[in-house]
Amino acid sequence: NAGVTQTPKFRVLKTGQSMTLLCAQDMNHEYMYWYRQDPGMGLRLIHYSVGEGTTAKGEVPDGYNVSRLKKQNFLLGLESAAPSQTSVYFCASSVDRGAEAFFGQGTRLTVV
Amino acid sequence: KNEVEQSPQNLTAQEGEFITINCSYSVGISALHWLQQHPGGGIVSLFMLSSGKKKHGRLIATINIQEKHSSLHITASHPRDSAVYICAYLGGSQGNLIFGKGTKLSVKP
Repeated sequence: NAGVTQTPKFRVLKTGQSMTLLCAQDMNHEYMYWYRQDPGMGLRLIHYSVGEGTTAKGEVPDGYNVSRLKKQNFLLGLESAAPSQTSVYFCASSVDRGAEAFFGQGTRLTVV
Repeated sequence: KNEVEQSPQNLTAQEGEFITINCSYSVGISALHWLQQHPGGGIVSLFMLSSGKKKHGRLIATINIQEKHSSLHITASHPRDSAVYICAYLGGSQGNLIFGKGTKLSVKP
């Protein structure tokens, strides 16, 4: 069982470039989340989804877009990367709101 | 304003010591999560508890809902326990987890 898989694991972008982070889960979970982790701060919610075809904004959504076309995949897009988006990004999934969350290994993104 | 406070922020211990990490929160909650983030970055869920105590191996988590406080204990600590320990509760307006900043534990052999 792979659990939650994120790709890529590392990426360096130039300011203004775009990219998509992919999160895939094989547990048939309804809920999926994208978080960012910055030094000295707790994980913060960017966007989340409560099922296929649905997405919603989290605490820090600006500069990001998401899509959930298939239940098992949750994509996070950066249309025009900025240095402030340098962070470690985590995807997570859960069977229900507040249930145990399963995390991906993280994506370390640097925007120069 | 972080609504979850963890203490200490950093903790260094000798192998074999008993470890306690504390988590306090300011709102009423139904359950609290403890997670472990390995030095390589991966995050795993350790416990989800709403009352009393849970034990898994050398790890014990306790919670007092009325006092808005939880503790994570590690007995007979080992260098492989070195990690960041994070507490979180379900409370965001989006129904999301609210995370503490984490406690970085280093266990020396």
